[in-house]
Amino acid sequence: GQNIDQPTEMTATEGAIVQINCTYQTSGFNGLFWYQQHAGEAPTFLSYNVLDGLEEKGRFSSFLSRSKGYSYLLLKELQMKDSASYLCAVRDGDYKLSFGAGTTVTVRA
Amino acid sequence: IAGITQAPTSQILAAGRRMTLRCTQDMRHNAMYWYRQDLGLGLRLIHYSNTAGTTGKGEVPDGYSVSRANTDDFPLTLASAVPSQTSVYFCASSDSSSGTDTQYFGPGTRLTVL
Repeated sequence: GQNIDQPTEMTATEGAIVQINCTYQTSGFNGLFWYQQHAGEAPTFLSYNVLDGLEEKGRFSSFLSRSKGYSYLLLKELQMKDSASYLCAVRDGDYKLSFGAGTTVTVRA
Repeated sequence: IAGITQAPTSQILAAGRRMTLRCTQDMRHNAMYWYRQDLGLGLRLIHYSNTAGTTGKGEVPDGYSVSRANTDDFPLTLASAVPSQTSVYFCASSDSSSGTDTQYFGPGTRLTVL
């Protein structure tokens, strides 16, 4: 099976930066996704990495190292609305997505 | 454009009853998926369909069946519900001809089996 690990919870202050790490061991690799999920809502797509390096999209950036089986999602200039769960998902050799359990980020004033 | 819709929003069901969760997308995506989300376990794939007329089993298919008669609809059926099927169910779709094949999710169905 697939193994995707991310921290359960993180807390940060409004305006600060938070980095959510994700490590994975999968059968094959065809891309890594980050999704945001607010409580009681559907996951929404944030970012996609398939090559090593950093992808920046506004306040959010995602990094991938395929050789290390490692990714992180960086959230800058945190806002209260960023309080949510962040899901790391890896597409394996069969092109199926496997999800981590998610990291709940709480932003405090 | 609605994207992906799911029905019902929530349901309480007696064990042993049959239940069909509906999923419809209007994006003409070829691929569709059903996931369940349980606390501490993340999203797990139940069944998927790469194109109309084909389906496949995911990680946790037992007790569930699906059909894909056309591009837009992908219903999930619980033939005889059991309490362990209490969960939040998400339908998703993707366009596998796109560069990223990103999956987009419906709003979910919260199912409680008593």
